[in-house]
Amino acid sequence: EDKVVQSPLSLVVHEGDTVTLNCSYEVTNFRSLLWYKQEKKAPTFLFMLTSSGIEKKSGRLSSILDKKELFSILNITATQTGDSAVYLCALNAGNMLTFGGGTRLMVKP
Amino acid sequence: DSGVTQTPKHLITATGQRVTLRCSPRSGDLSVYWYQQSLDQGLQFLIQYYNGEERAKGNILERFSAQQFPDLHSELNLSSLELGDSALYFCASSSGGTGGIDTQYFGPGTRLTVL
Repeated sequence: EDKVVQSPLSLVVHEGDTVTLNCSYEVTNFRSLLWYKQEKKAPTFLFMLTSSGIEKKSGRLSSILDKKELFSILNITATQTGDSAVYLCALNAGNMLTFGGGTRLMVKP
Repeated sequence: DSGVTQTPKHLITATGQRVTLRCSPRSGDLSVYWYQQSLDQGLQFLIQYYNGEERAKGNILERFSAQQFPDLHSELNLSSLELGDSALYFCASSSGGTGGIDTQYFGPGTRLTVL
């Protein structure tokens, strides 16, 4: 069975800190890796990564995929309280997303 | 707002009952996916429909079934409900179906509580 593991499980930081969230996987046959942010309800899309070594950026968030070492990271710089959420990574092998368990981030003022 | 709509938002029912959850995909999207999110299992893929046809099945129980209609909306039917079926049920949609490089956009979910 495909396995996606996220670490840490939870994280508490203060506003302005930089955080790095990790996603490791055991699947080699997949087409893309996605990151989502889940606050109260629906996961909202952040990034889709298909190629190794190419960083995607959106404001204070960035992500990169390493297909050789089988992991991805999501970086958030200058964190704000609005970044508090569960961050999910998922692998897309063609028809379905296989999700990791998520990292719960809490940003304190 | 992702553009994916789901109804109802909340559903409370009793064990043994049957419910129907409804999803309308984003305009132009042909694929609809159903996911279940429970506290102990995380987000789990149930089933995918592409342009009216079933494309992939995940860990979907036999008591559960789904369909996608000609107008592309989808319904997930859950029958003989058990306490363990209590969860958030999400629908997602994407433009394509099998390429693996389509972004899936999630609806707001239906929270099902089985008493």
